[in-house]
Amino acid sequence: DTEVTQTPKHLVMGMTNKKSLKCEQHMGHRAMYWYKQKAKKPPELMFVYSYEKLSINESVPSRFSPECPNSSLLNLHLHALQPEDSALYLCASSQPGQGTHEQYFGPGTRLTVT
Amino acid sequence: ELKVEQNPLFLSMQEGKNYTIYCNYSTTSDRLYWYRQDPGKSLESLFVLLSNGAVKQEGRLMASLDTKARLSTLHITAAVHDLSATYFCAVEETSGSRLTFGEGTQLTVNP
Repeated sequence: DTEVTQTPKHLVMGMTNKKSLKCEQHMGHRAMYWYKQKAKKPPELMFVYSYEKLSINESVPSRFSPECPNSSLLNLHLHALQPEDSALYLCASSQPGQGTHEQYFGPGTRLTVT
Repeated sequence: ELKVEQNPLFLSMQEGKNYTIYCNYSTTSDRLYWYRQDPGKSLESLFVLLSNGAVKQEGRLMASLDTKARLSTLHITAAVHDLSATYFCAVEETSGSRLTFGEGTQLTVNP
């Protein structure tokens, strides 16, 4: 199984709402990632978890809060977002250490902030 | 800071023609990846290139890596409409974990 799943597929939220994005993989990967992608741009790395510990935070505003409850799950908690946060949010996973480090991407969550 | 440059950024080609997309990067790396993205969709992994001289082929696409020149190419042979998509190269920093993406090449194959 080389699948990364993400829920929800679409999310519309107001600037005062709190919501969460979820990501799950069952490939036994121990690195998981959150990316933000704006239209016609490459993905921008937000966070990296390695062995369930936050290893990279790319200076992301605190209104985005990641969580890795276990090795298969990754959440992104959203609070008081701005319209400019509207984007496609992609989760990915890979296996650290020896090997290809190939990142497998989920289908994404299309977020619209109103 | 690792920089990745792709060119061209936009490519319009006719079916049946050949073309090459180039990916240059600025610092040493041994891992380079090519991804495809269809409009509104996620990224699909195409190729993983792990060593100097690596060449991978899948259908009408062939990717190569020259780590000494810090250059990868994605060659399209006899293009078909189904290849229309955005293609990204991504380079892993030597410290691991972080991928740096090129800006992407938006490919349109016209009948």
